This record gives sequence, C-alpha cells and structure tokens, in this order.
Amino acid sequence: DAKTTQPPSMDCAEGRAANLPCNHSTISGNEYVYWYRQIHSQGPQYIIHGLKNNETNEMASLIITEDRKSSTLILPHATLRDTAVYYCIVRVASGGSYIPTFGRGTSLIVHP
Amino acid sequence: SQTIHQWPATLVQPVGSPLSLECTVEGTSNPNLYWYRQAAGRGLQLLFYSVGIGQISSEVPQNLSASRPQDRQFILSSKKLLLSDSGFYLCAWRGRGNQPQHFGDGTRLSIL
Repeated sequence: DAKTTQPPSMDCAEGRAANLPCNHSTISGNEYVYWYRQIHSQGPQYIIHGLKNNETNEMASLIITEDRKSSTLILPHATLRDTAVYYCIVRVASGGSYIPTFGRGTSLIVHP
Repeated sequence: SQTIHQWPATLVQPVGSPLSLECTVEGTSNPNLYWYRQAAGRGLQLLFYSVGIGQISSEVPQNLSASRPQDRQFILSSKKLLLSDSGFYLCAWRGRGNQPQHFGDGTRLSIL
C-alpha cells in the first residue's frame, strides 16, 4: 500500500495557482518525496522531487514541511493542459531495494 | 538523452493466448526496470522490478512473468491470458540513487 494520502479530487480555475497537498506522516529520514502526473491514456510524467528543502523547476514548486510529514505541489499558473491525476509517492523499502509505490492520486480539473 | 520504448501501444488478445510485451531503454546503463499495471480508474500496481540482468522480483502473484535478457530490455509475458489480465501496462526505468522513474507510453491490453 502507498504510504501517502492525497485528496481524491480538486479543481482550479485557469490562471490561478493549484496547490495539491500530500500527507506522508511515516516518511523516514532518507526517503524522498516524488510527484508525477498522468494525463489520460498516457504514462506518468515526472514533475519534481525533494528531501527536505523546497524545490522549484520549470514545471512546479514543491514545499515540504519542516517535520517532513506533508508536502504541497504548487502549479503557479494552472492551464487546461494541467488537468491530470497527480501522484505523490515516497520510496518504500522492499527487500533492501527501494520501490516507488503509487496510490490513487489526486484528480485535478482545471476549468476555464 | 535517455529514452524508453514500449510496444505495442494497443493489443487485443483472446483468452488463453500467450503474451509478450517488450520495453527497451536507451541512453543509460544498468537501470532499474519496472512493470506496472493500471486498471481503469485505478492507481498503478507494481508487478515486477529488476535491478540487473536476470534479476527479477515479483510484487504480486499472478498469471504473468517477467524477464530481463539484456541490460536495457525488459519483457512481460504470459503463457495463457485471463480476462482479468486486461489493463494498461506501463514500463518504467530509474537510474541509481534517488533518481526519479521515467515511464513509457504504455500498452493497452484488451482480452476478449
């Protein structure tokens, strides 16, 4: 099972910031948080990842709380093409190897 | 740059027929490789992962098997397909350390 909790759905107006939350209260000290998104009928696309510091790239920003028990993915100016399912995952240890495990994610709908 | 190829894009097979899905990665060496299945409207279920040639770990018991005959080739197979094997199959690769996964475009498998 995934070790993260995300709201099943959210919506956002085009041009506004989309803030997608994720809880990962059992995260261990050396586990990274990764965000992906999946547009219908395509493979998931990597967005961003981080350990403890906030991160920003051309796609999004990642804000991780100081206790690392939750994080927020920010799409600063959402467009209709950002409509997708967003997955927050942490790496789960399995037999000595780290295995990324995906939950159901958050379905983000960006409306005009 | 690294690329991942997965084929075919769609496949329709009768119950009881064999299956072979192939995934290849270019531009990297010794990647971790993964096979996932996604049922309609659901999250990603990890089926197999491999950390090297001939090394396959299975996450769930099922009617499928995987093989890694070459460093950058990952094959998903079945001797006799079941109706429950229908779904969207995704291959992914990841470099060492905390690198993120990168996914192929997927194969949509329908069993009749």
